Amino acid sequence: GQNIDQPTEMTATEGAIVQINCTYQTSGFNGLFWYQQHAGEAPTFLSYNVLDGLEEKGRFSSFLSRSKGYSYLLLKELQMKDSASYLCAVKDSNYQLIWGAGTKLIIKP
Amino acid sequence: GAVVSQHPSRVICKSGTSVKIECRSLDFQATTMFWYRQFPKQSLMLMATSNEGSKATYEQGVEKDKFLINHASLTLSTLTVTSAHPEDSSFYICSATGRGQDFGELFFGEGSRLTVL
Repeated sequence: GQNIDQPTEMTATEGAIVQINCTYQTSGFNGLFWYQQHAGEAPTFLSYNVLDGLEEKGRFSSFLSRSKGYSYLLLKELQMKDSASYLCAVKDSNYQLIWGAGTKLIIKP
Repeated sequence: GAVVSQHPSRVICKSGTSVKIECRSLDFQATTMFWYRQFPKQSLMLMATSNEGSKATYEQGVEKDKFLINHASLTLSTLTVTSAHPEDSSFYICSATGRGQDFGELFFGEGSRLTVL
């Protein structure tokens, strides 16, 4: 079967750095996405990785290792508004998006 | 980025009634639209995929006669929950992808929270 694994919940301090991991087993791979979802709202796109390595975009970076079936989302200089769920999703060989259950990130002052 | 608008954002209805949710792509042609359902503290569950002008493809376990999807144009898709029951109460989210988007980024609507009494 296909599955995406992410920690259920993480807690971090304002101003710090946090890394959210995602491991996947899918039938084929055509890219990995990270989305942010605030409570009661729809997801918003954060990043896309299709090749191995690190993609940096401001305070957020995303890393991919296809051989390990592994990605992480790195959030720097955490702000209170970063409190949200972070969803990892992988596009399989049929270009279907397989979604992880999301990681709820709690930021404390 | 591209904009997808969903309406209504919240709806409360009586059991047995039908509810229609609209999803519009405002500034691009949505060749494919997706409908998701999300229960509290759970991830997105794909219900169906629709391509403009053709019948929607439903995921296993989703009743096509209960969740009617119409994608009549490149900018509009509708989801109708027929004879709604309390267990249909959920957060319904549409997303769209269109031509010219190299990696098929999804643009999400704001979501519609349905409460069936």
